[in-house]
Amino acid sequence: QVTLKESGPVLVKPTETLTLTCTVSGFSLSKPRMGVSWIRQPPGKALEWLAHIFSNDEKSYNTSLKSRLTISKDASKSQVVLTMTNVDPVDTATYYCARGWLVYDSWGQGILVTVSS
Amino acid sequence: QTVVTQEPSFSVSPGGTVTLTCGLSSGSVSTSYYPSWYQQTPGQAPRTLIYSTNTRSSGVPDRFSGSILGNKAALTITGAQADDESTYFCVLYMGSASWVFGGGTKLTVL
Repeated sequence: QVTLKESGPVLVKPTETLTLTCTVSGFSLSKPRMGVSWIRQPPGKALEWLAHIFSNDEKSYNTSLKSRLTISKDASKSQVVLTMTNVDPVDTATYYCARGWLVYDSWGQGILVTVSS
Repeated sequence: QTVVTQEPSFSVSPGGTVTLTCGLSSGSVSTSYYPSWYQQTPGQAPRTLIYSTNTRSSGVPDRFSGSILGNKAALTITGAQADDESTYFCVLYMGSASWVFGGGTKLTVL
């Protein structure tokens, strides 16, 4: 059974760096053509794709957020990590990790992160 | 910047048929964008319905179908049921390992 679970702080202060971890099970992050994306959803708003990492460690980012995002993985720990620098209250959202490439076939439950002083 | 457009809201009667669309602010949606569709209810993670334009995800009833209609991707629900009342998001693959989500369509069944 494929599962993904997000973890990290639920409250961060403006200008701080947010670090989120996606821990996966039921599949290997090293499997060819496998990838994991981070996607967020501000309260009451639409989903927004943030970043993706492939099994070969190729990475891609939302161009509007690229300067603030870093995605990485540790296949031995089955974890994908997203860091976002210089957070702002507008970054308040539920952050999801999802497996896939041309389709997101499995999603984590999401973690609500609030940016507030 | 590319914007993926969806109807903000739609209403359908129980048992009725509804088609939701997914377009581009500039240009046409084709199969090359590998459109996929997700269903989301409040407080829940999205559920995968359709991918690669018209392939149903495992366990999705066949009353959900995907297609290209004109210059847009489309999700058709045939025989709408009360528990279809959700928000539906489409996402397009823009190439170079990047994706853009639409704004979502809130579907009411009444």
